[in-house]
Amino acid sequence: NAGVMQNPRHLVRRRGQEARLRCSPMKGHSHVYWYRQLPEEGLKFMVYLQKENIIDESGMPKERFSAEFPKEGPSILRIQQVVRGDSAAYFCASSPFGLAGDTDTQYFGPGTRLTVL
Amino acid sequence: GENVEQHPSTLSVQEGDSAVIKCTYSDSASNYFPWYKQELGKGPQLIIDIRSNVGEKKDQRIAVTLNKTAKHFSLHITETQPEDSAVYFCAASMDSGYSTLTFGKGTMLLVSP
Repeated sequence: NAGVMQNPRHLVRRRGQEARLRCSPMKGHSHVYWYRQLPEEGLKFMVYLQKENIIDESGMPKERFSAEFPKEGPSILRIQQVVRGDSAAYFCASSPFGLAGDTDTQYFGPGTRLTVL
Repeated sequence: GENVEQHPSTLSVQEGDSAVIKCTYSDSASNYFPWYKQELGKGPQLIIDIRSNVGEKKDQRIAVTLNKTAKHFSLHITETQPEDSAVYFCAASMDSGYSTLTFGKGTMLLVSP
């Protein structure tokens, strides 16, 4: 069973460009969470999605950031007009939710390290 | 909202010693407490978790204890090995339906041979 997959692993963008980060959850998981990790900090929740629905985006900046999880394909975290402060590691996690015994267990991907020049 | 404090921020031990990392949380409604290990350049890996209906859980050299009254929980690693060196994160959430994780800031554990 393949784990959570994220790509790209490293992404370099110049200020003002767009960044697109992709996450494929574990097989059988339909719940995706995005977290951001700044250097020497813990992970901060950004957004929680189910297929075709955003459930909780309370941790995501209101401007420039958006997320989706379409019926087919990976979840996408999109950052428009990136600024240097967006430089961080972005992690995706998935959970089975609803399956007996595994409520809330989140499994993380390897992350995308975004550098804004 | 929930706030999780983690101590110490760095911990150096000799191989074979025990290591203890402590976390406190603020929201008494939290009842799910996972621990993650993050190696350099990798994503966090779940190593053990505990729910509030138990006070202790053990898996080989790793154990977690929970004190709901005091709102703190701890990770214990016995017989440490150099490969245990990593950053460890505690987290808390409410185990009811979906719930997002609130993480501590992490502890860098260094195990010297």
